[in-house]
Amino acid sequence: DAGVIQSPRHEVTEMGQEVTLRCKPISGHDYLFWYRQTMMRGLELLIYFNNNVPIDDSGMPEDRFSAKMPNASFSTLKIQPSEPRDSAVYFCASSFYRSYPSGTQYFGPGTRLLVL
Amino acid sequence: DAKTTQPTSMDCAEGRAANLPCNHSTISGNEYVYWYRQIHSQGPQYIIHGLKNNETNEMASLIITEDRKSSTLILPHATLRDTAVYYCIVRPQGGSEKLVFGKGTKLTVNP
Repeated sequence: DAGVIQSPRHEVTEMGQEVTLRCKPISGHDYLFWYRQTMMRGLELLIYFNNNVPIDDSGMPEDRFSAKMPNASFSTLKIQPSEPRDSAVYFCASSFYRSYPSGTQYFGPGTRLLVL
Repeated sequence: DAKTTQPTSMDCAEGRAANLPCNHSTISGNEYVYWYRQIHSQGPQYIIHGLKNNETNEMASLIITEDRKSSTLILPHATLRDTAVYYCIVRPQGGSEKLVFGKGTKLTVNP
């Protein structure tokens, strides 16, 4: 299995531009998570999906952030408009509820976003 | 979810055992202890988890005290590649799949 795939791996953009991050979870996994990591705030859960349905988006910082999961094999995290404070590493992770141990999340390599 | 307390950083000599402590004094009866680690520039990686019995796998051992208020992750023969941030997380088995990451312990393995 290729693991969780994220693209792009690096993104540099200018303030005000739209940014779209992409994630392909491990085949067969029914949970998908988006995290953001910064030096100041550490690793924060932004939103997670179960069977393509958003379950908890309480970590989404504001309306500029949106996430979708149109099917079981693809999810996007969009920032519009982007701001310098959005600069961070964004991780996608997936898990399978019936796997053992439950709670094991598999993380992608992350997307390093720099907003100038 | 119960909160955890971990030392900010630790050092270990290569080839020696690394013992990483975690306090979780408010843990509930149905909450498991999970350990993840994050090697620089990579996503976190699952290591091991347990409820009340000691656990061992190919990566590490987990020792949970009888009162379950603390635990220790043991890397029996640390290598330079074990240098990472180690996160101790408590969460219920089943239910929400959320993991809440704290600041973790930065383990540096020295040659």
